[in-house]
Amino acid sequence: EVQLVESGGGLVQPGGSLRLSCAASGFTFSSYAMTWVRQAPGKGLEWVSGISGSGASTYYADSVKGRFTISRNNSKNTLCLQMNSLRAEDTAVYYCAKGVDIWGQGTMVTVSS
Amino acid sequence: QSALTQPASVSGSPGQSITISCTGTSSDVGTYSLVSWYQQQPGKAPKLMIYEGSKRPSGVSNRFSGSKSGNTASLTISGLQAEDEADYYCCSYAGTGTYVFGTGTKVTVL
Repeated sequence: EVQLVESGGGLVQPGGSLRLSCAASGFTFSSYAMTWVRQAPGKGLEWVSGISGSGASTYYADSVKGRFTISRNNSKNTLCLQMNSLRAEDTAVYYCAKGVDIWGQGTMVTVSS
Repeated sequence: QSALTQPASVSGSPGQSITISCTGTSSDVGTYSLVSWYQQQPGKAPKLMIYEGSKRPSGVSNRFSGSKSGNTASLTISGLQAEDEADYYCCSYAGTGTYVFGTGTKVTVL
């Protein structure tokens, strides 16, 4: 069974940093692209970032480009999202997904002073 | 990277069929056959209902079907049931490794 478990969310001040992790199991992690998607409170889904199976290619939404960095460790079956220069508008539940099909339960990030 | 356009709400009576539209552009929906549909219940993670435009994952009811015409994709729910009440989102591949989601549709079963 595919399982994705996000961690690392919390409360951070504007301008601060946070690192999200996603532990994957139940599939050959290195064979699949992975994705981060977020959902602000009461709002819709927003694609944030993606990474190829090898990690060689990364992609970002314009809203986070230059501030967020996606990475993966295929030996540890772990996906990460390093978030810097955080803004209030980054407040959301962050989901990791296998491709865009199976999703974790999400981790909440709140950016507030 | 503008969001795909969905109706804010759609409603129907039990047993009826409803269709949710998802309008994009020639840069996303119109070019790629990689449209997915998700169901999201309150407080839960989205669940994949349709992928590659019209394919159903194992375990998803055949009451759910997807199609595409030009820049618009559609999700049809036939034989509407109370348990179908949820938010629904479309998502399209938009090239160069990027994706775009729809604005979301709240389905109400009357």
